[in-house]
Amino acid sequence: GESVGLHLPTLSVQEGDNSIINCAYSNSASDYFIWYKQESGKGPQFIIDIRSNMDKRQGQRVTVLLNKTVKHLSLQIAATQPGDSAVYFCARAGNMLTFGGGTRLMVKP
Amino acid sequence: DTEVTQTPKHLVMGMTNKKSLKCEQHMGHRAMYWYKQKAKKPPELMFVYSYEKLSINESVPSRFSPECPNSSLLNLHLHALQPEDSALYLCASSQVRLAGSYEQYFGPGTRLTVT
Repeated sequence: GESVGLHLPTLSVQEGDNSIINCAYSNSASDYFIWYKQESGKGPQFIIDIRSNMDKRQGQRVTVLLNKTVKHLSLQIAATQPGDSAVYFCARAGNMLTFGGGTRLMVKP
Repeated sequence: DTEVTQTPKHLVMGMTNKKSLKCEQHMGHRAMYWYKQKAKKPPELMFVYSYEKLSINESVPSRFSPECPNSSLLNLHLHALQPEDSALYLCASSQVRLAGSYEQYFGPGTRLTVT
């Protein structure tokens, strides 16, 4: 069946460094993937999405890479800031959203 | 307006109580969702409404009863809950399309504690 998973439950980075959060999926039936950011006490917030006909998409300080060969998705955050501290979920958007387990990003000042 | 609002923010209820969670959006979305999120876990889908009709029920116990009175409102009625039902309940909305889902916009959630 379909599933979406994350490689690491927690990632700690120094302020100003780049962060890379990884996600693996087991089935490519869906046509697109979304990264969500969830801060403490808030609901998930859309960051960026990517369709399966793309390999890369860039936003403001964020880049998502999709490797369909190895079924791997990553979110790269440039110049990580304290405000980036949150839990990040990858999600596959098919008939419904299927969330990965989440990675907590902690930014050290 | 790209906001989904939820009330109340926090709710404490006993196992014999009846309460309701409310969700509202004014983005013209015709799909609305209820999710349950336990601590340190991803959101789990409970219900999906499409054009005010229940389209998906993810085998949720009958003590949770959803209602969609109109295209902007979504309620979740709670009755005879168990302590293990304590969680963050998230509402979301999106456009509807025939195949696959559009981006979902989430509300801030209701933190529910069942005593």
